[in-house]
Amino acid sequence: NAGVTQTPKFQVLKTGQSMTLQCAQDMNHEYMSWYRQDPGMGLRLIHYSVGAGITDQGEVPNGYNVSRSTTEDFPLRLLSAAPSQTSVYFCASSTSQGEQYFGPGTRLTVT
Amino acid sequence: RKEVEQDPGPFNVPEGATVAFNCTYSNSASQSFFWYRQDCRKEPKLLMSVYSSGNEDGRFTAQLNRASQYISLLIRDSKLSDSATYLCVVNPKAGNNRKLIWGLGTSLAVNP
Repeated sequence: NAGVTQTPKFQVLKTGQSMTLQCAQDMNHEYMSWYRQDPGMGLRLIHYSVGAGITDQGEVPNGYNVSRSTTEDFPLRLLSAAPSQTSVYFCASSTSQGEQYFGPGTRLTVT
Repeated sequence: RKEVEQDPGPFNVPEGATVAFNCTYSNSASQSFFWYRQDCRKEPKLLMSVYSSGNEDGRFTAQLNRASQYISLLIRDSKLSDSATYLCVVNPKAGNNRKLIWGLGTSLAVNP
């Protein structure tokens, strides 16, 4: 049981580039979320999904897109990277009771 | 008032000490509560769910006080490996675990 996996672990982008952060879980959870974590700001919800084909915006969705074609996968796409998107990104899947399980994170730097 | 507030610390305690953290929340209708721990540069990991009756897991005890709107985490016999940031999480809506509210965390350093 791998739990939640994320790739890549590290990424450096130039301003304006796009990329996709991958997230997969093998726990058959319906709920999945993407967060970013910045110093002094705590975890902020970007987008979430309550099941395949259903996504919704969180607290800070601008500049990001998501899709959920399967229960297992929930990729996060950065459309046109900006320095303000330099952060650590965590993907999580959760039980129906709200217990969340996180991937190891992606450290993104935008120059 | 912030939705979820925690004392950022740091709490510096010797090995073997007992330490307690509180976390206050503003929405009296909040339904479920959790404690996570996060090690430096790692992902948050679920430590405990917090139940109305309180719950215990080894050296860790979590309590919920709905009247005063806070949850607490007690760590007994602290170990060096307990050094981490402890995050309080509140689910404001019944059946809706999508938009959990995260505290900024309390930093704990256990010293030899």
